[in-house]
Amino acid sequence: SQQGEEDPQALSIQEGENATMNCSYKTSINNLQWYRQNSGRGLVHLILIRSNEREKHSGRLRVTLDTSKKSSSLLITASRAADTASYFCATGGEKLTFGTGTRLTIIP
Amino acid sequence: EAGVVQSPRYKIIEKKQPVAFWCNPISGHNTLYWYLQNLGQGPELLIRYENEEAVDDSQLPKDRFSAERLKGVDSTLKIQPAELGDSAVYLCASSLGPPWNTDTQYFGPGTRLTVL
Repeated sequence: SQQGEEDPQALSIQEGENATMNCSYKTSINNLQWYRQNSGRGLVHLILIRSNEREKHSGRLRVTLDTSKKSSSLLITASRAADTASYFCATGGEKLTFGTGTRLTIIP
Repeated sequence: EAGVVQSPRYKIIEKKQPVAFWCNPISGHNTLYWYLQNLGQGPELLIRYENEEAVDDSQLPKDRFSAERLKGVDSTLKIQPAELGDSAVYLCASSLGPPWNTDTQYFGPGTRLTVL
């Protein structure tokens, strides 16, 4: 079963624009992670935010976490064609449970 | 540093045939995971090993699936016999594991299984 749900399911934007995707989860967490999956490849870890953190940055990525609403958002600024991928949130620590993913397409 | 290695990358078999997938984790990673990913879905955990011990196999369909990690390093996942519904991508991942428990997992490229 999927713990989280990403929203939207699919997103298409022009290169250079910002992309925002959201994740909602069901149970209390210690941390939440975001992963990227390029077509036909494995997942790559992007960022981990702990339950006592509200915001975290890594390069062009900005992640927020609202534990009261059980939700997180991933913002990618100044998008590039190479950002085209599926993005998943995951919770659960050692036993990760993934959401259903957001398929992001960057239009050159 | 080499990442998680999986083989084969693709496998096509007929239903009722057996199939095996192999995974070599990142050197020094004690915890190894097998996931199943259906098209358009996120990965779902099948089994988690800490060293050679399967510490969570609650999601593994034990009637047809088996896994082993005999020396606590590489691992094999087997399906026998395969069914049409087993067509999916099988992902292997590893992490440092106890006592570090960093939670970050490193994934291999996966094996795409097609059952005809």
